[in-house]
Amino acid sequence: AQTVTQSQPEMSVQEAETVTLSCTYDTSESDYYLFWYKQPPSRQMILVIRQEAYKQQNATENRFSVNFQKAAKSFSLKISDSQLGDAAMYFCAYRRDDKIIFGKGTRLHILP
Amino acid sequence: DVKVTQSSRYLVKRTGEKVFLECVQDMDHENMFWYRQDPGLGLRLIYFSYDVKMKEKGDIPEGYSVSREKKERFSLILESASTNQTSMYLCASSFRRLGAEAFFGQGTRLTVV
Repeated sequence: AQTVTQSQPEMSVQEAETVTLSCTYDTSESDYYLFWYKQPPSRQMILVIRQEAYKQQNATENRFSVNFQKAAKSFSLKISDSQLGDAAMYFCAYRRDDKIIFGKGTRLHILP
Repeated sequence: DVKVTQSSRYLVKRTGEKVFLECVQDMDHENMFWYRQDPGLGLRLIYFSYDVKMKEKGDIPEGYSVSREKKERFSLILESASTNQTSMYLCASSFRRLGAEAFFGQGTRLTVV
């Protein structure tokens, strides 16, 4: 069975600094997608970034980028120039076929 | 804009009651999902569906059932609510493609007393 592990329950970063959130996963499949979702306090979950397993190039979306290491089954999220609005729960997710599996999440605090 | 709407934001039910949580999406998505979210446990998949009347068990289906009679609607049913089912319930939907993102509802915070 596939699993997604986020080993950092909470993290803090100074405003304008860079932070990296970790995620590892376990699968025997070769083609799948990985996602990072953001859940702001009392607000809906939204997609931050996605990565296809077959693509070598790491995905980027403005200040958000990933470090995808397929052999190591690692998928970390880097947030550059952190802003107060980045404070949220971040979930790593794995998708293969009709199933989407999430990790336990990392709560990110932004220090002004 | 994609909309996934859950029928209630907050719900309080008594132990033993039958509870229905409703979810409607307006994007013609094939896939629909029910998760429960608990502090320290993340999102755990209860059931998912890829077509009308089709359903698959997720990782924690015990104590729950689902119904999908129409493509846009996916209901989660607690046959006999118990206090350990007090939780935040999240509904999501997506296209049936490998890389398709899931769109989430606002969540239903269910308290069973």
